Amino acid sequence: DIQMTQSPSSLSASVGDRVTITCRASQSISSYLNWYQQKPGKAPKLLIYAASSLQSGVPSRFSGSGSGTDFTLTISSLQPEDFATFYCQQSYTAPYTFGQGTKLEIK
Amino acid sequence: EVQLVESGGGLVQPGGSLSLSCAASGFTFTSYEMNWVRQAPGKGLEWVSYITSSGRTMYYADSVKGRFTISRDNAKNSLYLQMNSLRAEDTAVYYCARFAGRGRPFDYWGQGTLVTVSS
Repeated sequence: DIQMTQSPSSLSASVGDRVTITCRASQSISSYLNWYQQKPGKAPKLLIYAASSLQSGVPSRFSGSGSGTDFTLTISSLQPEDFATFYCQQSYTAPYTFGQGTKLEIK
Repeated sequence: EVQLVESGGGLVQPGGSLSLSCAASGFTFTSYEMNWVRQAPGKGLEWVSYITSSGRTMYYADSVKGRFTISRDNAKNSLYLQMNSLRAEDTAVYYCARFAGRGRPFDYWGQGTLVTVSS
């Protein structure tokens, strides 16, 4: 199975900050990497797919990059509504594993 | 509008069984593969099971293999998860998620249904 490792596990930041979350796959997954945002009590919401494609309706302050085994999610200027938990996921092969999550908190 | 609505969650004793359903609407159900994903209280997301659009091929996480069965009824636009021999560690919110296939994301999710395994 492909293991997905996110870092950091938690992060404190302020409104307006630029934030980067990384995700590493245990083997190459090409660009088959997705990012989700989850707020408490809600279902995950797709932000980025295929490593760098922005899902329709997602603000352009979110961006993704990477290929192979190393990927990043960047939020260019944090807004109050962005504080949540973020997960990466590989859709290269089943089992379609998720990272352990990164909790983004207000500083 | 794409909608996925899970149902069937509840409290069950260890060793018991429960069947979850996911009603799909707003898209051509037969064109999509489907998945179940779960989230234990305070924990991260765990992929549970996958089924092809035809229902002929299924995959399972090792943690549920041999105990859970995924199925679908394309005539009813519905996805199912039959859960047997339930354990305390199966306690979680269970989500169904739409999937366009390898390389694509889980683009729509249901609101989730809570399964609690406890005596």
